[in-house]
Amino acid sequence: AQSVTQLGSHVSVSEGALVLLRCNYSSSVPPYLFWYVQYPNQGLQLLLKYTTGATLVKGINGFEAEFKKSETSFHLTKPSAHMSDAAEYFCAVSPAGDTDKLIFGTGTRLQVFP
Amino acid sequence: DAGVIQSPRHEVTEMGQEVTLRCKPISGHNSLFWYRQTMMRGLELLIYFNNNVPIDDSGMPEDRFSAKMPNASFSTLKIQPSEPRDSAVYFCASSLVYGYTFGSGTRLTVV
Repeated sequence: AQSVTQLGSHVSVSEGALVLLRCNYSSSVPPYLFWYVQYPNQGLQLLLKYTTGATLVKGINGFEAEFKKSETSFHLTKPSAHMSDAAEYFCAVSPAGDTDKLIFGTGTRLQVFP
Repeated sequence: DAGVIQSPRHEVTEMGQEVTLRCKPISGHNSLFWYRQTMMRGLELLIYFNNNVPIDDSGMPEDRFSAKMPNASFSTLKIQPSEPRDSAVYFCASSLVYGYTFGSGTRLTVV
């Protein structure tokens, strides 16, 4: 079964520092991969997704992620953190051949300090 | 576009009562999903529909949970009877080919 593992349930960075949130997936075939953000008391919002094509994917709010098949990874990065980036971030994978169904990781809470 | 609309936003009920959560998906989306979020278990997919037909309900915890989608613009998730361990935030999401949009959720508290 396909799954995603998010390394680190909490990540803290200073404002202006690089943000790196890690996600590794398990899949026997190239999956579709997603990052979502959840602000307090809100639903999840899509940041970016990889389906096919270019392996470096740019999303909203300055975030990007790179699909690395050799490492089975899809890490999320942002060059310079902003206070408003503080939220919970979820990596998700779509099982091959199961259109639209998403399996989520356990989430990483990002804290940004001034 | 009003997005995915869930009601109620908050629900407090007594153990043993029936609870019905409602969801209106985005018009034109052909898939609808119900998720449950708790601190202990994270985000769990309960059930999803495609073109109003239930495709996968393997995540439904037990027979106390049921979901329906009578038409393309409405879905319900029912818990009968409710138990304290059902307390969670329940999210509905709709999609048209990997374009998930989540509702704001229903926070259910069973006392």
